[in-house]
Amino acid sequence: EPEVTQTPSHQVTQMGQEVILRCVPISNHLYFYWYRQILGQKVEFLVSFYNNEISEKSEIFDDQFSVERPDGSNFTLKIRSTKLEDSAMYFCASSGLYTEAFFGQGTRLTVV
Amino acid sequence: GQQLNQSPQSMFIQEGEDVSMNCTSSSIFNTWLWYKQDPGEGPVLLIALYKAGELTSNGRLTAQFGITRKDSFLNISASIPSDVGIYFCAGQMAQDYQLIWGAGTKLIIKP
Repeated sequence: EPEVTQTPSHQVTQMGQEVILRCVPISNHLYFYWYRQILGQKVEFLVSFYNNEISEKSEIFDDQFSVERPDGSNFTLKIRSTKLEDSAMYFCASSGLYTEAFFGQGTRLTVV
Repeated sequence: GQQLNQSPQSMFIQEGEDVSMNCTSSSIFNTWLWYKQDPGEGPVLLIALYKAGELTSNGRLTAQFGITRKDSFLNISASIPSDVGIYFCAGQMAQDYQLIWGAGTKLIIKP
């Protein structure tokens, strides 16, 4: 069964450093998403991406964040100058036209 | 902004009991989705609903898309220990594919 894969599964970074979280969506999907879940809290929408551009973003997704689909396969989330409060699980998801989203297993980001 | 109200926030039940949770919204959705999240894992889709009034089952799970398109419920019959986790509802509107999430229902099963 096709699946969304995310790497790394766990990333520890120093405060102020940049991190790149990577996702490989399901191959024939058209829409790509990043979500964040701070420990014990609900899943929060960050951004959606379609046709090589951001289609929607939340107020969480400020200038510190950027997304890219560099090679038609990977979908990345870059977080510049990480802060302690960026520590969370980050989930990537993808969906086809009018279909539900499938999630990756997540990357646990720990900012120290 | 758009919000989904999911209830209850948590449930403590005995193994073998039936479980019911629901989500309501002030907005109309074209798709309702129910996900389960195990600790440390990503949400996994349980049931997807695409039409108002649709009732869909997946094993011991049953979900319905409300007639008003503003609510949905999920029932779990004869709960077992592996049902523990957090259950999330999510609504999706046709004009934008952003998922609007409920806050989750944490299910704890007493042995």
